Amino acid sequence: DAKTTQPPSMDCAEGRAANLPCNHSTISGNEYVYWYRQIHSQGPQYIIHGLKNNETNEMASLIITEDRKSSTLILPHATLRDTAVYYCIVRVYTGNQFYFGTGTSLTVIP
Amino acid sequence: KAGVTQTPRYLIKTRGQQVTLSCSPISGHRSVSWYQQTPGQGLQFLFEYFSETQRNKGNFPGRFSGRQFSNSRSEMNVSTLELGDSALYLCASSIGTGATNEKLFFGSGTQLSVL
Repeated sequence: DAKTTQPPSMDCAEGRAANLPCNHSTISGNEYVYWYRQIHSQGPQYIIHGLKNNETNEMASLIITEDRKSSTLILPHATLRDTAVYYCIVRVYTGNQFYFGTGTSLTVIP
Repeated sequence: KAGVTQTPRYLIKTRGQQVTLSCSPISGHRSVSWYQQTPGQGLQFLFEYFSETQRNKGNFPGRFSGRQFSNSRSEMNVSTLELGDSALYLCASSIGTGATNEKLFFGSGTQLSVL
């Protein structure tokens, strides 16, 4: 069962930061938060993951609240190629069984 | 390093037939997982293989099966195809240590259409 809640859709102006929220209020202490994105009819692409601390890589930043009940994925300068469905996933470890949920459809507007 | 490779990219079958899909993981990855994606149900986990053994299984009927070879390549098979099996089938690989911070890397998928 998906353990995350995301808004179904969001728009963002090109060049601006895209902030995608995710609620995971039932997360347990050792469960990681992962973010993937999927461009139409392609496989999901890994973006970033974290446990407690904020994380940053070349693609994005992940901000996790202190109580770990929610997080925000930040794409600092959105481009048209960032238009995709973004999935926030709490990894419940039973092998590699990720529960993807319905994700947020992000549209970057020129 | 080559990514996860899935073949074929597109497949058309008729009801009642069977189909076999193939997945080659990233070199050095020993875990292969399979997912089904449909517009109605989204992405759903089918099963995971590690060291030629099924390690985990989702909630799918027995018509869906898989296997993994000694070189970590995997195949999944769907027998007695139904219209509802039309979907994008995705394969994902990972190192397979079992660590909870292990990343999955997905292939581009096989788009199966059942007529």
